[in-house]
Amino acid sequence: DTAVSQTPKYLVTQMGNDKSIKCEQNLGHDTMYWYKQDSKKFLKIMFSYNNKELIINETVPNRFSPKSPDKAHLNLHINSLELGDSAVYFCASSRDQETQYFGPGTRLLVL
Amino acid sequence: QKEVEQDPGPLSVPEGAIVSLNCTYSNSAFQYFMWYRQYSRKGPELLMYTYSSGNKEDGRFTAQVDKSSKYISLFIRDSQPSDSATYLCAIGKGGGADGLTFGKGTHLIIQP
Repeated sequence: DTAVSQTPKYLVTQMGNDKSIKCEQNLGHDTMYWYKQDSKKFLKIMFSYNNKELIINETVPNRFSPKSPDKAHLNLHINSLELGDSAVYFCASSRDQETQYFGPGTRLLVL
Repeated sequence: QKEVEQDPGPLSVPEGAIVSLNCTYSNSAFQYFMWYRQYSRKGPELLMYTYSSGNKEDGRFTAQVDKSSKYISLFIRDSQPSDSATYLCAIGKGGGADGLTFGKGTHLIIQP
């Protein structure tokens, strides 16, 4: 069974569109995260959710909004997509807020 | 100064060699230390984690932390071509739902 899964795996869209990426974990973890990996492979935290509450929100544009319908899911909504949003987005989860387990990533390409 | 510094490589070594991968960090508030392995077009995979200075061994992998020098290392013994990947160090402050701060990753190539 996949521990942390993301859909879609690939997403190609036009500038200005709104899109969502879904994440699910079946590990029973309390905290979930979204990371962005840019073209230089640098991985940076965007958001974390603990028990459905936003804990941290790094300097991310408000076009990005995480939404957690329940403890096992953390979705990422992106409005008015820009070229610079092209990257790989990783979801992760953690039981102890230390060791984190990552999903396979969603490759977003904005044209 | 960046919070975590890591040489991006590439680092190319022959099969069977001992590999040494390193990171330095600047903030003494960091309390726990991890190494992730990332294959091309895959998500990062947790390899090792440790909380204290000293060595931690798991099979062919040894993680070493020196908090006084703010220096962490990952050693791979008897390296295999399947070890070819990008290795990311990650450090965290603990005590809350903070994300991890990652190094930029070292691209490792093991030549058969």
